[in-house]
Amino acid sequence: EDQVTQSPEALRLQEGESSSLNCSYTVSGLRGLFWYRQDPGKGPEFLFTLYSAGEEKEKERLKATLTKKESFLHITAPKPEDSATYLCAVQGLGGGYNKLIFGAGTRLAVHP
Amino acid sequence: DTEVTQTPKHLVMGMTNKKSLKCEQHMGHRAMYWYKQKAKKPPELMFVYSYEKLSINESVPSRFSPECPNSSLLNLHLHALQPEDSALYLCASSRLQGGETQYFGPGTRLLVL
Repeated sequence: EDQVTQSPEALRLQEGESSSLNCSYTVSGLRGLFWYRQDPGKGPEFLFTLYSAGEEKEKERLKATLTKKESFLHITAPKPEDSATYLCAVQGLGGGYNKLIFGAGTRLAVHP
Repeated sequence: DTEVTQTPKHLVMGMTNKKSLKCEQHMGHRAMYWYKQKAKKPPELMFVYSYEKLSINESVPSRFSPECPNSSLLNLHLHALQPEDSALYLCASSRLQGGETQYFGPGTRLLVL
């Protein structure tokens, strides 16, 4: 069964304190791994899609990496506006048509 | 443009009411999705439409009735809901090929009294 586990559940950082969020997955054939950012009461905002081990993508202070078993979202010199819940999801070959399996998310709080 | 729009933003309904949620996208995507999200939980898939036909129903109760009138629109008809159905309802769309990114709308916050 496809599964996604995110850690930590919650993370508190000081502004400028870099860190990484982890997404471990088991999937029967990876079609894609997706990172989203979600603010309270709003829909998930797309950040990155990764398809194969070794792939990396960057956007502003965020960098996503992928191995065969996990993905990391690295946050460099975060600012308070980076505070949000970060969701990781995978799509595998099984499990139904284009179905995303989500992790529980990491709640990030960045304090000035 | 990767915008998915949803109306209304907020909805309060009684258990005997009938209401509808609406979703629209103009990205030419032929797959559209309804998700339900409870507080501090990830989104849960409810329905998937591909080429305007229902392809996945995740064992959702019949008080939720989806409809896809055309390739740009997706509706969710609500009837005789329960208080535990209160949640954020999210619409998403994507290209049909496997591995394509799903783009989410802002959601409808539903409260059932």
